[in-house]
This record gives sequence, C-alpha cells and structure tokens, in this order.
Amino acid sequence: DTGVSQDPRHKITKRGQNVTFRCDPISEHNRLYWYRQTLGQGPEFLTYFQNEAQLEKSRLLSDRFSAERPKGSFSTLEIQRTEQGDSAMYLCASSSSGRVNEQYFGPGTRLTVT
Amino acid sequence: AQSVSQHNHHVILSEAASLELGCNYSYGGTVNLFWYVQYPGQHLQLLLKYFSGDPLVKGIKGFEAEFIKSKFSFNLRKPSVQWSDTAEYFCAVNGGSQGNLIFGKGTKLSVKP
Repeated sequence: DTGVSQDPRHKITKRGQNVTFRCDPISEHNRLYWYRQTLGQGPEFLTYFQNEAQLEKSRLLSDRFSAERPKGSFSTLEIQRTEQGDSAMYLCASSSSGRVNEQYFGPGTRLTVT
Repeated sequence: AQSVSQHNHHVILSEAASLELGCNYSYGGTVNLFWYVQYPGQHLQLLLKYFSGDPLVKGIKGFEAEFIKSKFSFNLRKPSVQWSDTAEYFCAVNGGSQGNLIFGKGTKLSVKP
C-alpha cells in the first residue's frame, strides 16, 4: 500500500507529557498537511509543508505545537505539555503542488490526554 | 475568512432513495471544491472534486455534485443510495493560493436496508 501512513494509530498520555506523531506521505507528493479533528467537527487545518519548508500555520497551532519535515519526506508533529483539550484525531494528508491540490489522507492518530 | 456550511447533521434514508446533501461556502474568488467520505472505521477518501469546466462533476460509486457559482453551493447527489453508502460526508473548499482545505462539519448518512 502506497498511501499516507501515520504512527502511532492511538496514543494515551497523561496531562503534561510530551507526545510526537509521525506521518509518511505518498512518496511523490511534495506537500504535507496536518489537521485536527474532534468529535462532531470536520478536520481543522494546523499547518502545511512544501518540501521541507513550513509555508502556513493556523492560529490553532499554539506554541506547544511544533511540526517538522526535515528532509522533505516524513513529518513529525510534537505536542509539548499536553492538555486535555488536545485530545483529538490528528490527521495527515499529502498532495502534489498542482493547482487542484487534491489531498490524500492518512488513517490518523487518535490522542487521548487523561 | 473562508467557511463551509453543511446543512444536515444526520440524514436517514432507506435503500434506493435519492440523496442530496447540501454544501455552501463563503469565498469570493476562484475555488476548488471537494467532497470526502469517511466510511465507519476508515480514513477520509476523496469522493469527487471540482476545479473548473463542467459544473456537474461525477465521482466514484455513482455520486455526482453540481457547482452553482451564483449560490456558492456544491451539493452532493446520488439517485439511489445503498446500505454501503452509510458514512460521514464532508464538503471542503480550497481557495486561491491557499494550501489548506476548509471543511464543513460533516453530514452523517445512515441508509436502512
């Protein structure tokens, strides 16, 4: 399968701990996106990369959140000092940089902060 | 700011009924429009997209959507639903040079066999 993959699929952590998620995009895609989805809502944009450059960040991405894509391939999303409000599904998507911006999503990482 | 509104939170239909899910967006410029589907336990999948040309676009599994620019709408339709169409459907818009998609809150479709 050559789709978008995410790891881990589930993460339970205690409030105040740091967590890191990984996303591997479709290999020929140079754009990579992070979204967050909570119950009853559609995905909300967090940030995106074109190659290794982080081009856009949402105001949802507080100082406790940081994302990297060091070699323009996989990406990591780190949340420091987790809070219960961070509990959500974190989705990764990738696309090529064409005009249509057709994004393909991974299965997500479900984070539960206790 | 861009936004997407999906009119129905939960739609319940019997098999063979016709489906229309509403989607309206707010953005003044050129947009790309998408419908994604999320089947139970699965990840988001692209159902269909519009970026230019014929405003009636056809997607997978017999779905189609019509872009009406004057109404800022992109409604999803299917003439005859099946039990396997039970899923959550999300409308999304991408405007101008922005990279991100703006999603609606989704419509949950339940099809009774």
